[in-house]
Amino acid sequence: DAGVIQSPRHEVTEMGQEVTLRCKPISGHNSLFWYRQTMMRGLELLIYFNNNVPIDDSGMPEDRFSAKMPNASFSTLKIQPSEPRDSAVYFCASNGLRDSSYNEQFFGPGTRLTVL
Amino acid sequence: SQQGEEDPQALSIQEGENATMNCSYKTSINNLQWYRQNSGRGLVHLILIRSNEREKHSGRLRVTLDTSKKSSSLLITASRAADTASYFCATIGNQFYFGTGTSLTVIP
Repeated sequence: DAGVIQSPRHEVTEMGQEVTLRCKPISGHNSLFWYRQTMMRGLELLIYFNNNVPIDDSGMPEDRFSAKMPNASFSTLKIQPSEPRDSAVYFCASNGLRDSSYNEQFFGPGTRLTVL
Repeated sequence: SQQGEEDPQALSIQEGENATMNCSYKTSINNLQWYRQNSGRGLVHLILIRSNEREKHSGRLRVTLDTSKKSSSLLITASRAADTASYFCATIGNQFYFGTGTSLTVIP
């Protein structure tokens, strides 16, 4: 298996632009997590899905952030409009099996976002 | 504040020495996990310890869990330069929290 796939790996954009980050979880996994990592705030859980349904989005910082999981093999995290303080590394992770929420998570390589 | 907080924030040791990192948390958990992150990479799962376990081993890793003190420790024995990375604890309960991480440097 190729593991969790994220794209793009790097994104540089200007303030006000829309940014879309993409994630393909490991095949067969039914939980998907979006995290943001910064030096100041560490690793923060933004949202997680179970069987394509958002379970907890309390970590989504503002309405500018939205996430979707239209099917079991694809998820997006969108920021519209983007701001410089959104600059961070965004990770996607997935896990599976029964009681999947409690098992180890497999992380993608991350997307490094820079908003100028 | 963060649910899981590690200490120390940074640790520098000589190759061959043991490294111990601690994690404290605040609420009840189902399990606690430790992850490793190399610079510029995603996190990699190391070990999971369930709330009813007190100690677990995996290779050179030893993890303890004290639910009465809401704390865990990760011991890496006979450290190697390749162990240089950041280490995070993650508490899994009603919510998911990653700690602030310990940056470990192993000097060859």
